[in-house]
Amino acid sequence: EIVLTQSPGTLSLSPGERATLSCRASQSVGSTYLAWYQQKPGQAPRLLIYGASSRATGIPDRFSGSGSGTDFTLTISRLEPEDFAVYYCQQYGTSLTFGGGTKLEIK
Amino acid sequence: EVQLLASGGGLVQPGGSLRLSCAGSGLTLSPYAMSWVRQAPGKGLEWVAGFSGSGDSSYYADSVKGRFTISRDISKNTVSLQMNSLRAEDTAVYYCARLIVEVVTTSMTPGGYFDYWGQGALVTVSS
Repeated sequence: EIVLTQSPGTLSLSPGERATLSCRASQSVGSTYLAWYQQKPGQAPRLLIYGASSRATGIPDRFSGSGSGTDFTLTISRLEPEDFAVYYCQQYGTSLTFGGGTKLEIK
Repeated sequence: EVQLLASGGGLVQPGGSLRLSCAGSGLTLSPYAMSWVRQAPGKGLEWVAGFSGSGDSSYYADSVKGRFTISRDISKNTVSLQMNSLRAEDTAVYYCARLIVEVVTTSMTPGGYFDYWGQGALVTVSS
């Protein structure tokens, strides 16, 4: 089973700053078979990015994804107040597994 | 508006059974590889079970294999998860979600991402 390790566990930033979240796989997920989700308290996850870098419908362009193989990054170029949440990566090259999440909190 | 409406959660004793249902509104579920994903309290996400896109095959996480069964009723536009022999570690919010299949994984299971999620149903296994 592929294990996804997300870092940092918690990221404290201010609105307007740039956020960089990392997702590292224990083995290659097979090119770009990786998605990112945002989850707010009491809500279901929301798809942000699929195929490592393709934005889902309705996702603002301040969200971008990059990477391939074992190392992936989600970047939020300029944080808005509504962006503070927990973010999960998910691979789909070998079965379906999620990372442990990064909590993005207001500094 | 597309909605997935989960129901059937509740409190059950260890060893007991529970059946979750997920109804599609504004979305026909049958052509898609619908799945269930769970989240234990304060924890991350775990894929539990799902269909292939054609619906002729079902797949399960090792943690639930032999205890959980996914099914669907095309006439009612629902997907269900029958959960037997429940354990304390099955306590979680269970989400139904639509899987957009991009690839057949190296495990020969549907691989993809989840674009629509239901609101979740809380299952508590406790005596």
